[in-house]
Amino acid sequence: AQTVTQSQPEMSVQEAETVTLSCTYDTSENNYYLFWYKQPPSRQMILVIRQEAYKQQNATENRFSVNFQKAAKSFSLKISDSQLGDTAMYFCAFIISTNDYKLSFGAGTTVTVRA
Amino acid sequence: DGGITQSPKYLFRKEGQNVTLSCEQNLNHDAMYWYRQDPGQGLRLIYYSQIVNDFQKGDIAEGYSVSREKKESFPLTVTSAQKNPTAFYLCASSMDRAQAAQYFGPGTRLLVL
Repeated sequence: AQTVTQSQPEMSVQEAETVTLSCTYDTSENNYYLFWYKQPPSRQMILVIRQEAYKQQNATENRFSVNFQKAAKSFSLKISDSQLGDTAMYFCAFIISTNDYKLSFGAGTTVTVRA
Repeated sequence: DGGITQSPKYLFRKEGQNVTLSCEQNLNHDAMYWYRQDPGQGLRLIYYSQIVNDFQKGDIAEGYSVSREKKESFPLTVTSAQKNPTAFYLCASSMDRAQAAQYFGPGTRLLVL
């Protein structure tokens, strides 16, 4: 079974500073895809960033970047130049590259950006 | 605008009543999904469908049913057999590839009267 662990239930960051969210996962598969989703107070789930496990290069999307360590099964998210609109719950998720369409989610990390 | 719509935004269920949550997408995605989210928790998969007229149970399918008669639509029925239905329900869709990201609708909040 695939599991995703987010060990930080809550984090707080000052506006314009950087925050890093941790995520570890467990799978016996070699090919898979990793995602970070953002859920603001509106509760709409928004895709933040996506990483293919076969790519060594870390994905970036504007102020969001990941540190993917395949051997350690770690997939952290860095939010740079934090903005008030980044306040949300962030979920780490992954899916294995077979015909299984199940997206496995972590329990989430609540990020609060302080003005 | 392309996207996923869910209705209603809030839904109230009486004891013993079946209720149906709507999910429609105009993204031309083949696969659609239903998730349940309880307070302070991640998402759990209820059902998913890869093509029309076919669907599979997820991790918590008991007390729920679905249909997929059209590519654009994937309604979820919460039956009276679901004893703890109060939750936030999210519908998602993706291209028919396991590596494709899933895109979510705005969700439906279900409450029991």
